[in-house]
This record gives sequence, C-alpha cells and structure tokens, in this order.
Amino acid sequence: EAGVTQSPTHLIKTRGQQATLRCSPISGHTSVYWYQQALGLGLQFLLWYDEGEERNRGNFPPRFSGRQFPNYSSELNVNALELEDSALYLCASSLAGTAKVFFGQGTRLTVV
Amino acid sequence: RKEVEQDPGPFNVPEGATVAFNCTYSNSASQSFFWYRQDCRKEPKLLMSVYSSGNEDGRFTAQLNRASQYISLLIRDSKLSDSATYLCVVNEITGGGNKLTFGTGTQLKVEL
Repeated sequence: EAGVTQSPTHLIKTRGQQATLRCSPISGHTSVYWYQQALGLGLQFLLWYDEGEERNRGNFPPRFSGRQFPNYSSELNVNALELEDSALYLCASSLAGTAKVFFGQGTRLTVV
Repeated sequence: RKEVEQDPGPFNVPEGATVAFNCTYSNSASQSFFWYRQDCRKEPKLLMSVYSSGNEDGRFTAQLNRASQYISLLIRDSKLSDSATYLCVVNEITGGGNKLTFGTGTQLKVEL
C-alpha cells in the first residue's frame, strides 16, 4: 500500500515568488497535516485539513494557505516567498479522529 | 515554557549500551503520546505509541507518568542503526480535533 506521497521532492524559488506543494495521503485517510521543519529546528504545525475543510492552523502568516480536494489530496501554497521560508515541508495523514500520523518524505523548499 | 521539551543531546553511546530519553509536556489535558524517529534529512516515522501502563516493543520501552507529565523512551542493546533523532509527540483533543505537538527531538549517536 502506498504511503503519503509529496511532490516535488525539491523546489527552488526566488524571493517574492509563489510555491505550490502537493500531498497525497494514504488511501482511506481523510485528515492531512502540513508541518514546516527549518534546519535545526523542530516541526512547526502549519495546517490541518479534514473532509475538505481547514480545521486548524498554526501560528503562520496568511501567505501560507492550502486546500484539500475531494479525493483528500492537499496543496500547500506559500505566497510572497521569503528567505526564511526555506525548510523541509512535511505532509502527514491520518484516519479520521485518530492522532497517529504518517509522514511523506517531504518537499525541500529553498528560497534564494 | 515550551509545550513539549526534550534534551536535544546528542547522546553518544557505545553499541550495546542502554540509553533513556525523557520528554516533559506542559498541558495536563494531553491525552495520547507517541515517539517518532527521524533519520537525517528524512521524514519522521512512528516508532511507538505510549500507553499509561507502559509498553514494550522489542528493545524499546516507553513509559508515561501523568502525575509528573513526562514520557520516556528506553533503548536496550543499542545498535548502530538506532542512530537518529527521537521526537516526542503529545496529542490533545480540542474542539477543533487532535492537536499534535512535537518536541524538537533528542539526537542519538551509537558508536562502535
């Protein structure tokens, strides 16, 4: 069974541009979480989607946004990129109502 | 005070040693607990859940102390392949659903 898949694996953008990151959850999982992990730092919660709705967001500016599609895949958009947005962006999925999450391999975003 | 605190390490131990990590959490309403393992530049992977009565999985033992608000992970007979960062995860069920908080991780290096 396929795990959580993310694309692209690596992404290089220039300051001010927009980045779009994609995530496909494990089949049957309806919840999708997005985390940011900057170099040497812990995982910072960004967004949580369940059944197509945004359920919670972390302490990030509005230029971080996303959505969840009817097939439960998800997209994270980062507008007006800043150098400090350079990080590993991890997507995780879980079954509805459970806390046990499974991560994708991440998208490494570099802003130059 | 951070919601979830871990000693960042690194813990350098010889192969075959027993090593223990602690993690403290500040929210007494936290309801479920996990340990994840993260290899360098890879995604976190679920190692084990932590149950109130304590639980064991091979060489790994997890314990929870609700009164003191900490969880622990004990690794016996350390292997070189155990070298990784171990993340403590605390879950609180809120009106918005599961709120997972990750610690920043404890780095383990097992040496010959």
